[in-house]
Amino acid sequence: GAVVSQHPSRVICKSGTSVKIECRSLDFQATTMFWYRQFPKQSLMLMATSNEGSKATYEQGVEKDKFLINHASLTLSTLTVTSAHPEDSSFYICSASGLGSTDTQYFGPGTRLTVL
Amino acid sequence: GENVEQHPSTLSVQEGDSAVIKCTYSDSASNYFPWYKQELGKRPQLIIDIRSNVGEKKDQRIAVTLNKTAKHFSLHITETQPEDSAVYFCAASRGGNKLTFGGGTRVLVKP
Repeated sequence: GAVVSQHPSRVICKSGTSVKIECRSLDFQATTMFWYRQFPKQSLMLMATSNEGSKATYEQGVEKDKFLINHASLTLSTLTVTSAHPEDSSFYICSASGLGSTDTQYFGPGTRLTVL
Repeated sequence: GENVEQHPSTLSVQEGDSAVIKCTYSDSASNYFPWYKQELGKRPQLIIDIRSNVGEKKDQRIAVTLNKTAKHFSLHITETQPEDSAVYFCAASRGGNKLTFGGGTRVLVKP
């Protein structure tokens, strides 16, 4: 149990375009989903927390108009990077909680975004 | 907000030896402390967690200890094997809430 998928695994896009990343909990209902960003050889930085049917809560310094988060159902959250620039290139990872304990977060496999 | 410090940043051990990673946290209200293992290019995987009502937890070769008074917790890996080589992250949260991660420890187990 506790499987989280993410799609796509890799994406390359041109500067100025938008990219959507999907995060799904496959075998449980995720009351809360989290989006992280990870730079090479660094830790995970929380970008935002989203609850189904509610607006996401963004961490300080994260532009909510640039990183749009939608949590339309208990199994799906999406992150859209709008007007992407090379500095947005990174590894984006989602996690979901809700199976048994609300504390435990299960991570997706991540999405490697490269903006040219 | 919560701040989690993790040491050491890198750790090299001989196969069969023990590895210890230490973390300190700042928020005395934190009550949930998971440890994740992340291999290169892959997702973080939960390996063990502990809650504040427990001082120690063990799962085969892995154990975690928690000192609430001093606000620190540690991961112990015994009889290390090459497949234990990875980056390990500690984290803390108030429960049902966001995790704050430590900076990570790169563990290399030499055969």
